[in-house]
Amino acid sequence: DQQVKQNSPSLSVQEGRISILNCDYTNSMFDYFLWYKKYPAEGPTFLISISSIKDKNEDGRFTVFLNKSAKHLSLHIVPSQPGDSAVYFCAAARYGGSQGNLIFGKGTKLSVKP
Amino acid sequence: EAGVAQSPRYKIIEKRQSVAFWCNPISGHATLYWYQQILGQGPKLLIQFQNNGVVDDSQLPKDRFSAERLKGVDSTLKIQPAKLEDSAVYLCASSLDIGSTQYFGPGTRLTVL
Repeated sequence: DQQVKQNSPSLSVQEGRISILNCDYTNSMFDYFLWYKKYPAEGPTFLISISSIKDKNEDGRFTVFLNKSAKHLSLHIVPSQPGDSAVYFCAAARYGGSQGNLIFGKGTKLSVKP
Repeated sequence: EAGVAQSPRYKIIEKRQSVAFWCNPISGHATLYWYQQILGQGPKLLIQFQNNGVVDDSQLPKDRFSAERLKGVDSTLKIQPAKLEDSAVYLCASSLDIGSTQYFGPGTRLTVL
């Protein structure tokens, strides 16, 4: 039973355009959501996060949107750059009443073409 | 600031052999995590420590996996005996405290033949 789902295994985008990565979750107890980026042969790197009390968080070219009623979040990258090519993992946590461990999706491989 | 260190980076063993992985977290981080990432999947938590105590090991296959963090700093994860399905990348992460951002090491890629 997957609690965090990333239904698109891969996404290809032209440099300079917007990349939109999607994530769905099933557990309404999750209160914190994160995106990690992973390059080959490296560990995941924290990118951006959002608390369940917000619906948007922005950091430079990266924006995360949260739709709690739909149990859906998305990561927008504008403009996309070739260096953004990586696997992006969505993760969720129950910081409010749990140990804080992360539940990860399977990841989406983003390719940004020059 | 030094990141999370892990060794070895790669390990190949035969099934039924034993193997150990080492992790040194970021200095001052109280919380340490071991994750298993099977090819094509996201990382899955195996065990979480707060200082030298276990917070969550509900997904650790305790008949073959063990982990310790004796002095509340570095940690070792052991598999004995290994099975083919243990082939994966084993990631260590640390955070200042529970609920803080987790920082990952580069991982150890284990291949069981």
